[in-house]
Amino acid sequence: TQLLEQSPQFLSIQEGENLTVYCNSSSVFSSLQWYRQEPGEGPVLLVTVVTGGEVKKLKRLTFQFGDARKDSSLHITAAQPGDTGLYLCAGATGAQKLVFGQGTRLTINP
Amino acid sequence: DAGITQSPRHKVTETGTPVTLRCHQTENHRYMYWYRQDPGHGLRLIHYSYGVKDTDKGEVSDGYSVSRSKTEDFLLTLESATSSQTSVYFCAIRRQGQVEAFFGQGTRLTVV
Repeated sequence: TQLLEQSPQFLSIQEGENLTVYCNSSSVFSSLQWYRQEPGEGPVLLVTVVTGGEVKKLKRLTFQFGDARKDSSLHITAAQPGDTGLYLCAGATGAQKLVFGQGTRLTINP
Repeated sequence: DAGITQSPRHKVTETGTPVTLRCHQTENHRYMYWYRQDPGHGLRLIHYSYGVKDTDKGEVSDGYSVSRSKTEDFLLTLESATSSQTSVYFCAIRRQGQVEAFFGQGTRLTVV
């Protein structure tokens, strides 16, 4: 079984601070996605990274895929209360499946 | 919006009864998935389908069965519900040639 470990599982910080969430595995993935989930809703895709070492930016969010394609990170600059939510990483396997990490519950306090 | 509808959105059922959850999509995508979400576990794959009548098991398939008799519908059945199957169930689709998944709004199932 290919596992994705996310850390931290819970993070509560003040508005304006920076943070990084990590997604690690011992397995190689063909791509990694990051999703964000609001209460009562399904996860919504934020970004997909495909190439080892790839960096993608989405406004204040920066996503990086490790060189060996086993890990990824999500960095948020100047966090805002609207960033509050559950962040999930997911890895695509060759068997048409998506494997998810356990999630990071992020709370940004005003 | 990937046109995914899950029904019912909420259900309470008794231990030992069979339960069927439905996922309906309007865009004829080939790949459909059923996940369950529990605190501390993220999303865990139950079963998935790669075409009509083509299904396979995920990592937590025990106690669940699926059917896909037409492209647009993917049914998840709990053969004899147990309290450990209390969870939020999500259906997802994936478009041909893409890796990203698009999710329905979930079904909250409580087994008492």
